[in-house]
Amino acid sequence: DAGVIQSPRHEVTEMGQEVTLRCKPISGHDYLFWYRQTMMRGLELLIYFNNNVPIDDSGMPEDRFSAKMPNASFSTLKIQPSEPRDSAVYFCASSSTPGFVTEAFFGQGTRLTVV
Amino acid sequence: AQTVTQSQPEMSVQEAETVTLSCTYDTSESDYYLFWYKQPPSRQMILVIRQEAYKQQNATENRFSVNFQKAAKSFSLKISDSQLGDAAMYFCAYRSARETSGSRLTFGEGTQLTVNP
Repeated sequence: DAGVIQSPRHEVTEMGQEVTLRCKPISGHDYLFWYRQTMMRGLELLIYFNNNVPIDDSGMPEDRFSAKMPNASFSTLKIQPSEPRDSAVYFCASSSTPGFVTEAFFGQGTRLTVV
Repeated sequence: AQTVTQSQPEMSVQEAETVTLSCTYDTSESDYYLFWYKQPPSRQMILVIRQEAYKQQNATENRFSVNFQKAAKSFSLKISDSQLGDAAMYFCAYRSARETSGSRLTFGEGTQLTVNP
């Protein structure tokens, strides 16, 4: 398996524009997570899905953020409109059902810069 | 809610020497998992080692080992024979074993490890 795949690796956009980050989890994993990493706040969980259903989105900072998982192999995180304070590295991760000792596998992240 | 604390923002070690990174956590649960992740400059998050809370034996992976003290809620990482490639940010993470909590990971603030040649 190629691991968790995120795209794009880097994104530079202007304030007010819509940004869409994409993630393909590892096949067979039923949990998918979106994390944000910043110097100030470290690694924060934004939202996670189980079997394509959003379970907890309490970490989503504002209504400008939305995430979808239309099927088991694809998820998006959208920011509309984007703001400079959204600049961060966004990670997608996937894992298996609890009950198995399994870590979360991370993608390489998307570095978002909003100017 | 669980919290994870790494009190050492930065650590340094000489190549071939041993270094220990500290981590403490707070939880009311009895069954959980603990992890150390490594994040090199490439920013890829790489699992270093895992520990199941129900196991008394400390986990070991080659040059990496942990000192798990459940009563003290402490989970330190020891890196032996440090190599230049070990230089990275290290994150301690907690995961509940309860299915209702999913597989979410709660991370510490990270410790930046420098390895000096």
